[in-house]
Amino acid sequence: GENVEQHPSTLSVQEGDSAVIKCTYSDSASNYFPWYKQELGKRPQLIIDIRSNVGEKKDQRIAVTLNKTAKHFSLHITETQPEDSAVYFCAAATSGSARQLTFGSGTQLTVLP
Amino acid sequence: EAGVAQSPRYKIIEKRQSVAFWCNPISGHATLYWYQQILGQGPKLLIQFQNNGVVDDSQLPKDRFSAERLKGVDSTLKIQPAKLEDSAVYLCASSGLAGGGTGELFFGEGSRLTVL
Repeated sequence: GENVEQHPSTLSVQEGDSAVIKCTYSDSASNYFPWYKQELGKRPQLIIDIRSNVGEKKDQRIAVTLNKTAKHFSLHITETQPEDSAVYFCAAATSGSARQLTFGSGTQLTVLP
Repeated sequence: EAGVAQSPRYKIIEKRQSVAFWCNPISGHATLYWYQQILGQGPKLLIQFQNNGVVDDSQLPKDRFSAERLKGVDSTLKIQPAKLEDSAVYLCASSGLAGGGTGELFFGEGSRLTVL
């Protein structure tokens, strides 16, 4: 089955700096890669996703890049703000008849004011 | 639009006792998932339903865990008997497009289980 590895497990940045979180996946059939943000005690919420037919997607301060050859994808957050502090999870899935997300282990991002 | 509803939010039980969690997905969502999230880890899929049928339960510890979605709407996840390692948050999620498709997964707030 699919295995997703995520690094780093913790990341501290100064407010206004950029943050980058990286994930690798094992199943070459995976073609859907979402990122979820989970605040303490809250539900995971989708912040951005990318499909394998594109290499990069951007939404305001958040961008995701995908390298299918190397089987890795990354989340980039620019101009970080204290409210960006949360745990971020990457995931991978196939868009088949029964999509199943395999999650990474999470990155605790702390934005220092 | 109402989100995914779960109850109870918190449950504390002794080991070997039983517990049940309930989930009501977003109206019209055919696909329902139960995930287990152990502290400090990512969510791990336990079972996936499409309407009232099981799509995948390969990671469900069937000797102690069971789940059902009898009318294709609400779902119940049961643990009997519970073990210490079952302490986790149980997340229910639903998806709006049949067969997964491009539907986003919407998560509930989760049910936090502590086994003493």
